[in-house]
Amino acid sequence: DAGITQSPRHKVTETGTPVTLRCHQTENHRYMYWYRQDPGHGLRLIHYSYGVKDTDKGEVSDGYSVSRSKTEDFLLTLESATSSQTSVYFCAISATGSSTDTQYFGPGTRLTVL
Amino acid sequence: ELKVEQNPLFLSMQEGKNYTIYCNYSTTSDRLYWYRQDPGKSLESLFVLLSNGAVKQEGRLMASLDTKARLSTLHITAAVHDLSATYFCAVASGGSNYKLTFGKGTLLTVNP
Repeated sequence: DAGITQSPRHKVTETGTPVTLRCHQTENHRYMYWYRQDPGHGLRLIHYSYGVKDTDKGEVSDGYSVSRSKTEDFLLTLESATSSQTSVYFCAISATGSSTDTQYFGPGTRLTVL
Repeated sequence: ELKVEQNPLFLSMQEGKNYTIYCNYSTTSDRLYWYRQDPGKSLESLFVLLSNGAVKQEGRLMASLDTKARLSTLHITAAVHDLSATYFCAVASGGSNYKLTFGKGTLLTVNP
């Protein structure tokens, strides 16, 4: 298994509170990604990073911000959580941004916003 | 905007039968991935298809890619219960930083 951990694994929070999810990798991969998974939608890309302090938006970035201050950690912040952000969040990593490179996924974080 | 459509979304099969899951996509791409997800678990990479005509096989699963038709298939041969899972295809697009667009997934249930 790729060395990817996510924390917390489960979180329940209230509407309007900020939430930060952490993805940590031990593979020294350059690229890291945040996805959300919702029934009927598959996985959708929120943000991704192609290096330390280099990030870009994905398909569903509104209401989310990210930071990457070191190679191994990629943080996802919900600035003011809403019920529509209740979801399962997956982090993924890849060694390069090449389309020939496989993305490996972390175990996921189940977030419930009440 | 790249769209990826899988069908069927739900598939119930009997053990020993064969079936195919289809993945259609809307724009040119020659990179396609198949993933498996067990309930409550993460995604596991199954296949990476990197060119037109690519075919890969692992056990009872075989994946193929036709970039001209913008179609990939995941064929299941003689299904067994252990293959029950959700299967996703994902298509790569973009310039120097490739991004994946996923289909909605096919929930496969193999019944004894």
